[in-house]
Amino acid sequence: AQSVSQHNHHVILSEAASLELGCNYSYGGTVNLFWYVQYPGQHLQLLLKYFSGDPLVKGIKGFEAEFIKSKFSFNLRKPSVQWSDTAEYFCAVMSYNTDKLIFGTGTRLQVFP
Amino acid sequence: GAVVSQHPSWVICKSGTSVKIECRSLDFQATTMFWYRQFPKQSLMLMATSNEGSKATYEQGVEKDKFLINHASLTLSTLTVTSAHPEDSSFYICSAPRKASGMNNEQFFGPGTRLTVL
Repeated sequence: AQSVSQHNHHVILSEAASLELGCNYSYGGTVNLFWYVQYPGQHLQLLLKYFSGDPLVKGIKGFEAEFIKSKFSFNLRKPSVQWSDTAEYFCAVMSYNTDKLIFGTGTRLQVFP
Repeated sequence: GAVVSQHPSWVICKSGTSVKIECRSLDFQATTMFWYRQFPKQSLMLMATSNEGSKATYEQGVEKDKFLINHASLTLSTLTVTSAHPEDSSFYICSAPRKASGMNNEQFFGPGTRLTVL
């Protein structure tokens, strides 16, 4: 069965610090990978997605993620976080032959001014 | 982008009553939709896949008689929480896939429905 693990449950940063959130998945086949963000009191928004091609994908709000197939990883990065990035971040995996999204446990990011 | 709506956005009900939540894809058709449940400060847990014209498929551990799913049309799926109890209180989120590129689909999420059972 597919599973997604996010190692960082709670991350606290100061503004302008760099961010990297880990995501690893277990699935032997072809997958599509996603990062979602959920701001307090709001619904899920797509940050970025990987289907194929360049393993370094850029998303909205300055976020990027790198797919490393050999490590089954899809880590999220941002060079300089802002207070407005405070939110919950979810990594998710969709196997190529289904539309089911399996979510990681989420990482709560708090950014202090 | 594609829009998915949910109604109601929040509902409070008494224990033992049933609650229906609607999920609509507003500008595209979806033969499948998905229902998730999110407890406070936790991740989304996939509950079931709603299939237009056929029975829903439930994830392991999800009671199909408790969470009735009906995919009435290509734009509407409903989740009915039957005989709700306080432990059913949660945030219920639906999603619908739409083709993004090539053979790849992307899920579009509804805003969620917060259910509180007293």
